[in-house]
Amino acid sequence: GNSVTQMEGPVTLSEEAFLTINCTYTATGYPSLFWYVQYPGEGLQLLLKATKADDKGSNKGFEATYRKETTSFHLEKGSVQVSDSAVYFCALSPMENNDMRFGAGTRLTVKP
Amino acid sequence: GAVVSQHPSRVICKSGTSVKIECRSLDFQATTMFWYRQFPKQSLMLMATSNEGSKATYEQGVEKDKFLINHASLTLSTLTVTSAHPEDSSFYICSPGGVGYGYTFGSGTRLTVV
Repeated sequence: GNSVTQMEGPVTLSEEAFLTINCTYTATGYPSLFWYVQYPGEGLQLLLKATKADDKGSNKGFEATYRKETTSFHLEKGSVQVSDSAVYFCALSPMENNDMRFGAGTRLTVKP
Repeated sequence: GAVVSQHPSRVICKSGTSVKIECRSLDFQATTMFWYRQFPKQSLMLMATSNEGSKATYEQGVEKDKFLINHASLTLSTLTVTSAHPEDSSFYICSPGGVGYGYTFGSGTRLTVV
């Protein structure tokens, strides 16, 4: 079946540190991959996505590359800010017009 | 892009009462709406899929008589939690299915049953 395994948190970093949150997936076919961010008390915001192998999604300094050979979609940011503190979810959708399968979420706290 | 309006954002209700949550697609027509549930500090789990003009499909373990889903028009899907109990307290969020809708989500509804 389709599933996502995400690095467990919580992750605590100092401002300007490098961030990596690991995500691997299991899927039949060729899914689309996503990272969502959820700020406290709010809904989900799409952070970035990639729809095929070797695609790189990027937004707000975050990036992730769709690696079919390692079935991974790790999230990275070179220099985190306090405002990046949130919960990050890796997700996949088997095809367009289909539902999402989410990872467990990783809580990131960035300290000044 | 696709905008989904979800209401209410927060609701507190007494045990045994029913609560209706609405998701409206504002600038497009959604033939499919996915409903997810998120328990505190957990991930989102798909509950059910609503389809305009037909019966919803429910994920295994989700009681269809308790979580009534209606998708009577292309712009409105509703989830009604019937006879709510404290264990139903959760964050409910909708997301339209469909090519090109940007994989957006509603803003979510935090339900607290007391």
